[in-house]
Amino acid sequence: AQTVTQSQPEMSVQEAETVTLSCTYDTSESDYYLFWYKQPPSRQMILVIRQEAYKQQNATENRFSVNFQKAAKSFSLKISDSQLGDAAMYFCAYRSQRAGSYQLTFGKGTKLSVIP
Amino acid sequence: KAGVTQTPRYLIKTRGQQVTLSCSPISGHRSVSWYQQTPGQGLQFLFEYFSETQRNKGNFPGRFSGRQFSNSRSEMNVSTLELGDSALYLCASSSGQGDGYTFGSGTRLTVV
Repeated sequence: AQTVTQSQPEMSVQEAETVTLSCTYDTSESDYYLFWYKQPPSRQMILVIRQEAYKQQNATENRFSVNFQKAAKSFSLKISDSQLGDAAMYFCAYRSQRAGSYQLTFGKGTKLSVIP
Repeated sequence: KAGVTQTPRYLIKTRGQQVTLSCSPISGHRSVSWYQQTPGQGLQFLFEYFSETQRNKGNFPGRFSGRQFSNSRSEMNVSTLELGDSALYLCASSSGQGDGYTFGSGTRLTVV
């Protein structure tokens, strides 16, 4: 079974600064997807960024980018120019491409605070 | 484009009762997944439906069940509620092709 580990339960960043959230995962599969989701106090999980394992290029979405190291099974999220609205719980998630195993496996999350 | 709609938003039930939660996916999405979120266990997968068929099931007791209708709307049912079933239940829809999942705002279930 796959596992996802987020080793930083809480982090804080100054507004306009850059912060990196860590995520490692364990799998024996070679084809899979990785995601970062954001969950603000409103509870709704919002997709931040997605990475396909067979793509070597790191995904980028505006101020959000990832550092995907497949051999090291590492998938960190970098938030540049942090804004107050970035404050939330961030979850790293793994999705297998194996038929019958399409569920998301989540890490425990990192609570990000943004200091004005 | 309407998002994923979950009803109700909040629910309070008594131990031993049963409950039904509803999820309407994004139009055109055929996959609906359910997750339970608690402070202690985090986010745990319950089950996934695709075109009215259960495609995968998590490690939950048989008291947890679900179904999907021909219009892709899904319901999950929990029978004989226990205090430990208190949680946020999240529904997510996708096209089923490996793209990102879109989540609803969840149903907060409290069992007293």
